[in-house]
Amino acid sequence: KNQVEQSPQSLIILEGKNCTLQCNYTVSPFSNLRWYKQDTGRGPVSLTIMTFSENTKSNGRYTATLDADTKQSSLHITASQLSDSASYICVVSDPGGNNRLAFGKGNQVVVIP
Amino acid sequence: DTGVSQDPRHKITKRGQNVTFRCDPISEHNRLYWYRQTLGQGPEFLTYFQNEAQLEKSRLLSDRFSAERPKGSFSTLEIQRTEQGDSAMYLCASWGQGVYNEQFFGPGTRLTVL
Repeated sequence: KNQVEQSPQSLIILEGKNCTLQCNYTVSPFSNLRWYKQDTGRGPVSLTIMTFSENTKSNGRYTATLDADTKQSSLHITASQLSDSASYICVVSDPGGNNRLAFGKGNQVVVIP
Repeated sequence: DTGVSQDPRHKITKRGQNVTFRCDPISEHNRLYWYRQTLGQGPEFLTYFQNEAQLEKSRLLSDRFSAERPKGSFSTLEIQRTEQGDSAMYLCASWGQGVYNEQFFGPGTRLTVL
C-alpha cells in the first residue's frame, strides 16, 4: 500500500476559482512534508515544505496545511490561473539519514478558461 | 530553473539498444538521486550517491541498469538492452544539507523505447 495517498486523482476547474487538494500519509515519524508542482514533461518544483511542527505554509496563491495528528495535508489554490494546470505531488520525507522520500501519485489539475 | 540539469531531455531508441543519461547537480550538493516516473504515477526511487559512493539501489534497478558518479559531481545512468517497459521519465535530484534538507529536481529525461 502506498504510504502517501492523494485525492482527487484529477479535477477540472474554471479559471479564477479556488480548489483544494488532499494528501493522507502513513509515514511515521516523518521529517517534513512537501508539495511539488510538476508541469507536463518537466521535473517537480517545490511549492511548500513543512516540518511536523508547522501547520500552514503559503507560497503566493498556494497555501498548504498540515495536521500531523490525523496525518493529513491539503494544498489550496486560490484564484486559479491557466498556468496552474499541472500535477501536484505530495511528498513525505522520513527522518532517516538517507533522506528517503515517499511520493503520492499526484493530483492532476486542469484549469479551463 | 532549480540548478539541476539533465541531458538529453528526450531520447527515442529502439528496443535492445543501450542509452546513457547525464545529470549535473547543484555544485555544492554531495547527494544525488535517480528516480523513474511513469505516466500518472509519482517518481520511484532508483538509486542515490553520496559523493562518488553509490549507497543504495532499489529493486527496480535491474542488472541492465548501472549508475556512476565518478568524481562526485555529475552522474550517468546507463540502461543496456532497453525494453519497452523502460519507457519513462528519468529524474535526477540534488540534495544539500539545509533547514529542510530539500531535494531539487532536474527537468528529467523522457525515454521512449520503440
